[in-house]
Amino acid sequence: QVLLVQSGAEVKKPGAAVKVSCKASGYSFSIYGITWVRQAPGQGLEWMGWISVHNGDTNYTQNLQGRFTMTTDTSTNTAYMELRGLRSDDTAVYYCARLRWGHSDAWGQGTLVTVSS
Amino acid sequence: DIVMTQSPDSLALSLGERATINCKSSQSVLYSSNNKYYLAWYQQKPGQPPKLLIYWASTRQSGVPDRFSGSGSGTDFTLTISSLQAEDVAVYYCQQYYLTPYSFGQGTKLEIK
Repeated sequence: QVLLVQSGAEVKKPGAAVKVSCKASGYSFSIYGITWVRQAPGQGLEWMGWISVHNGDTNYTQNLQGRFTMTTDTSTNTAYMELRGLRSDDTAVYYCARLRWGHSDAWGQGTLVTVSS
Repeated sequence: DIVMTQSPDSLALSLGERATINCKSSQSVLYSSNNKYYLAWYQQKPGQPPKLLIYWASTRQSGVPDRFSGSGSGTDFTLTISSLQAEDVAVYYCQQYYLTPYSFGQGTKLEIK
């Protein structure tokens, strides 16, 4: 079955960077895109961006432009997201999801990133 | 950016009742070349990732019980649960994927009365 398994929780200091991985299995990784969504504690879902695994094209939300990078490694079927210049309001659960025509039909379990001094 | 607005913010109903959750987009999410609405619904239970219920506004995802249905046109969409079950307690989100950023509604919390 389709599975997306994310890396574990992280605690970072303000100004640091975090890199979260998302390993895909159970489907042909290159055919679908990957999207990243975050959820601050007790809040709703915030769409961050998406990446085409096939050709590496990316689309980032304007709010995070310049701090946020998505990449993929087709040799290991793994997607990555890196967020730099962390602030306290970046504390959230970060989800990767498989993108199918724009909607997300399979999700990772989520990775809690806590930004605290 | 397209703004998605859900109503109500929360809803408490009895088991077996019909639940209706509304979602309004600030502009059309209809792609005229294929006549599809680029609108999805997700269910999120506490401590879990979201789960896709409905896409193209009315197509049920494989494995989703048929008590869940989606409808709508123009800029107004509805998720209906025909007969509320205890396991349906969750927060429900709509999302447009017509234009990036693929924005979500603020969520509707569904509880049992």
